[in-house]
Order: sequence, then C-alpha cells, then structure tokens
Amino acid sequence: SQKIEQNSEALNIQEGKTATLTCNYTNYSPAYLQWYRQDPGRGPVFLLLIRENEKEKRKERLKVTFDTTLKQSLFHITASQPADSATYLCALVLNSGNTPLVFGKGTRLSVIA
Amino acid sequence: GAVVSQHPSRVICKSGTSVKIECRSLDFQATTMFWYRQFPKQSLMLMATSNEGSKATYEQGVEKDKFLINHASLTLSTLTVTSAHPEDSSFYICSAAGLAESLEYFGPGTRLTVT
Repeated sequence: SQKIEQNSEALNIQEGKTATLTCNYTNYSPAYLQWYRQDPGRGPVFLLLIRENEKEKRKERLKVTFDTTLKQSLFHITASQPADSATYLCALVLNSGNTPLVFGKGTRLSVIA
Repeated sequence: GAVVSQHPSRVICKSGTSVKIECRSLDFQATTMFWYRQFPKQSLMLMATSNEGSKATYEQGVEKDKFLINHASLTLSTLTVTSAHPEDSSFYICSAAGLAESLEYFGPGTRLTVT
C-alpha cells in the first residue's frame, strides 16, 4: 500500500541545536517533494521544494535532502530558535503540473529556550 | 505575492443547515484550486480538485452532493457544506495553483463547528 510517514509525531530540541525531521514514503514515485510549516489553526506555508534529480536544497537555515533510493527526505533546521516551533509537513508531488499534494501527518517541533 | 484568502475563518452552524466557504487567490489567477480537510492531529486530506469552469473532481469517499464546489472564476472557488452534521466539524483548507508549476498556495483555513 502507499504510505507517507513522518516518523516522529513530536520532537523537542534545545535552542541553537539542529533539528532533523524525517519523511519516508512507500510505493510512490514522486516528481517533487515539498516541506511546509503549519502553525496551529493556520494553513500550511510552503518552505522548500526538491526535485527527484536533486540531492540537496538549502534556504537560509533550512536544508532538505532527497534520496529516491531510500525513498526518504530529511529536513534540517540549523541554529534552531523558539520561533521555529511548529508542525512541519512533508508532501509529495506525484506528477508535474497542477496535481494535488499527498501529505504526511507532520512532525510537531518544539524548540526549548 | 501568491496570497490566498478564505472566508470565514471560523463558523458555527446548527445541524442540518448549509455553510459556504470562499477561497480567493488575491494576486494571481488560479487555474486549479484544491479543497482539503484536516482533523485534529491528522494530515490534510484532499477532498476535491476544481478547475475553473469545469466540474470538480472528488476523492473517493467524499460525497459530491454534500460538498458542493463551484469554481466560477480564476480567483474564486467556493465549498458549500450542505445539511451539515457534527461529524463535518473540521478545519477546511483551500489551496490555489497556477502561479508556478507544482506549487500550491494555501489559504489560512476555516474552522467549521456544527452543533
């Protein structure tokens, strides 16, 4: 069966450390993989997109890796801050064009000062 | 750029009544809009895909006669929950696509509570 799993429901880390979130998928062949941030009671906000032929993408303190052999993406936040506390969702884009996303359940990150 | 709004942000209605939720792309034309539903501590689940000027495509298990979707223009889609029941209480989120390939821009969501 097709699954997308973010294998930590919640993650607590100390301020200043690097947070690493994991997204694994099974029986999908995504064209792209995206990461979103969602705050309570709000819609998701796009963070990063990585294509199937890309290994790594960076944006400021964020880094995403994509291993299509392992069917896994890692999302890193370096020098984490309490303001980074939120739920982070990974989403698969199965085809190019305007096709809907397939979301994981998310990981709730808490950065403790 | 790429701002999507939803209205209302919260709504409480009585069982049996209908509720309309609007989704607007404010600064771009959205050829496709998506409607998602999210229950507490769950992921976003796609309900339907709507393309401007055509009928929406519903996901399996979503009743098209209960969740009416209209996408009459490139900047507006509406979701009407008809004959709402308490189990329809959820967080409804729309997204709009069309600005850049494979990118969806999400609205802030609408919290529906059916009493």
